[in-house]
Amino acid sequence: GAVVSQHPSRVICKSGTSVKIECRSLDFQATTMFWYRQFPKKSLMLMATSNEGSKATYEQGVEKDKFLINHASLTLSTLTVTSAHPEDSSFYICSAKNLQGVGYNSPLHFGNGTRLTVT
Amino acid sequence: QKEVEQNSGPLSVPEGAIASLNCTYSDRGSQSFFWYRQYSGKSPELIMFIYSNGDKEDGRFTAQLNKASQYVSLLIRDSQPSDSATYLCAVNMNSGGYQKVTFGIGTKLQVIP
Repeated sequence: GAVVSQHPSRVICKSGTSVKIECRSLDFQATTMFWYRQFPKKSLMLMATSNEGSKATYEQGVEKDKFLINHASLTLSTLTVTSAHPEDSSFYICSAKNLQGVGYNSPLHFGNGTRLTVT
Repeated sequence: QKEVEQNSGPLSVPEGAIASLNCTYSDRGSQSFFWYRQYSGKSPELIMFIYSNGDKEDGRFTAQLNKASQYVSLLIRDSQPSDSATYLCAVNMNSGGYQKVTFGIGTKLQVIP
């Protein structure tokens, strides 16, 4: 199996506040999880790779101090959007691979996503 | 050059017809290829994955891979209105020394009843 759960599904917050999004692998262990962002009518953009027990790897142009990632266990990664601004409003989706079988060629399995609206 | 290219569509097909979705990719060393379906406002759902040249069939879906041409496609037979969605092509490619799954922009498919 490869079920990924993400919470919350929708959040509205005021500008300047922080929001935490949780991503859990329910039936497998994930040493690595991936955080994507998707703007309307745009493709998925990888923001960062979350590594259990070590620092996340951020893609070019993604501010690591703004998007804090913690991967404290083999089944949980969190993304905290700090000091959110309206331009951070987007659809954030986490994903993970069940590496049993074909290893890193395994497909990504996605959580249901979190729609963040910053007012 | 974009790493994974798809025509954004929309691609309109009548109900019952075959829908053909195409994708090209830039990294000749890529080894794994995926098709995801994404309904509006939802997260992507894995439809097919393929690793070897040739065809792979699963129900009404057939994925086709041609590594020499750096081309992967998805055929949907007997298209249904419920197949109307955006189909994302994804490629596991080497980026800066590590593996990264890169997505195309997606092709919007409309199945007309």
